[in-house]
Amino acid sequence: AQSVAQPEDQVNVAEGNPLTVKCTYSVSGNPYLFWYVQYPNRGLQFLLKYITGDNLVKGSYGFEAEFNKSQTSFHLKKPSALVSDSALYFCAANTNAGKSTFGDGTTLTVKP
Amino acid sequence: DVKVTQSSRYLVKRTGEKVFLECVQDMDHENMFWYRQDPGLGLRLIYFSYDVKMKEKGDIPEGYSVSREKKERFSLILESASTNQTSMYLCASSGGGFDNQPQHFGDGTRLSIL
Repeated sequence: AQSVAQPEDQVNVAEGNPLTVKCTYSVSGNPYLFWYVQYPNRGLQFLLKYITGDNLVKGSYGFEAEFNKSQTSFHLKKPSALVSDSALYFCAANTNAGKSTFGDGTTLTVKP
Repeated sequence: DVKVTQSSRYLVKRTGEKVFLECVQDMDHENMFWYRQDPGLGLRLIYFSYDVKMKEKGDIPEGYSVSREKKERFSLILESASTNQTSMYLCASSGGGFDNQPQHFGDGTRLSIL
């Protein structure tokens, strides 16, 4: 069975500092991995995806993610955090027929 | 841009009522999904559909049913609403046939059952 783990419920960073939100996965076959962001009282918004190729994937709003096959990880990163990045972040892996397995989410708080 | 529209942002219903949540997408997507989101429990898949008139149970289908009569519309039905169905409900869609497609979400319906 596929699974996605986000080991941190909460991540706190200061504005201007780099941020990392962690994700590890367990999937069979080639992994198709995604990051989504959810702002209060909104649905999830797609940030970026890894399909194949470069291990560093660039996405929306200056976010990027690093795929590491040996560590089965897909960590979300940003070089310089903004207060407006504060939100709930979900990592996901796609299964057959486009179904997704989601992590439990990590709340990112960026303090001024 | 893909737009997924959920008919209501907030809904208040009474125990025992039959409740309909509607979702429409405008990108001709094959796959559509209904989730509920509860604090501490993440996203849980209720039902999904990969074609018109097709439906598959997700992880928590009990107490729910769905209808997909047209490709763009996917309805979630609470047959007899109960207080433990108070939750945020999210609809999503994605292109069919490829596992590399992201899901596109509506803004959710916050449902309260009194």
